[in-house]
Amino acid sequence: GNSVTQMEGPVTLSEEAFLTINCTYTATGYPSLFWYVQYPGEGLQLLLKATKADDKGSNKGFEATYRKETTSFHLEKGSVQVSDSAVYFCALSVWGSQGNLIFGKGTKLSVKP
Amino acid sequence: SQTIHQWPATLVQPVGSPLSLECTVEGTSNPNLYWYRQAAGRGLQLLFYSVGIGQISSEVPQNLSASRPQDRQFILSSKKLLLSDSGFYLCAWTKGLAGVETQYFGPGTRLLVL
Repeated sequence: GNSVTQMEGPVTLSEEAFLTINCTYTATGYPSLFWYVQYPGEGLQLLLKATKADDKGSNKGFEATYRKETTSFHLEKGSVQVSDSAVYFCALSVWGSQGNLIFGKGTKLSVKP
Repeated sequence: SQTIHQWPATLVQPVGSPLSLECTVEGTSNPNLYWYRQAAGRGLQLLFYSVGIGQISSEVPQNLSASRPQDRQFILSSKKLLLSDSGFYLCAWTKGLAGVETQYFGPGTRLLVL
């Protein structure tokens, strides 16, 4: 079956620290991979996505590369800010699945000044 | 541009009472629509999805139901709420059928069952 595994949180970092949130997946077919972010009290917003192997998604200083050989899509940012504090969800969608997303459990990030 | 609305934003209901949450999408036609639930401290669970009017697929058997009476309207209902129904309910839409399209989420409804 299809599944997404994210590193357990919470993750607490100081401002300007380097961030990595690990995400690995299992999928039948050809998945697209996504990172969504949920700020406190809000719904989810798409942060970035990649639709094929070796694609790199990027947005707001965040990056993730679709690695088919390691079935991974790790999220990185070189210098986090307090405003990046949120819950981050890795997700996949498989071709022909009616667009259904399969989410990881989410990783809560807290950035301290 | 497309927008997605959910209401109410928050709701406190007694156990055993009925529930109706509404989601509407503007600016697009024939979207795929989804209901997710996010329980406290847990990830997102897909509850229902719909590819067209009157077409509902259920992912998790429970005391909730969904309906799609109009192209851009998706309703989540229950006849009798349980304590375990408490959570954050998110509606989402996507245009594509191919599984590669981005899902766009509404602001969510926070439900507390007492």
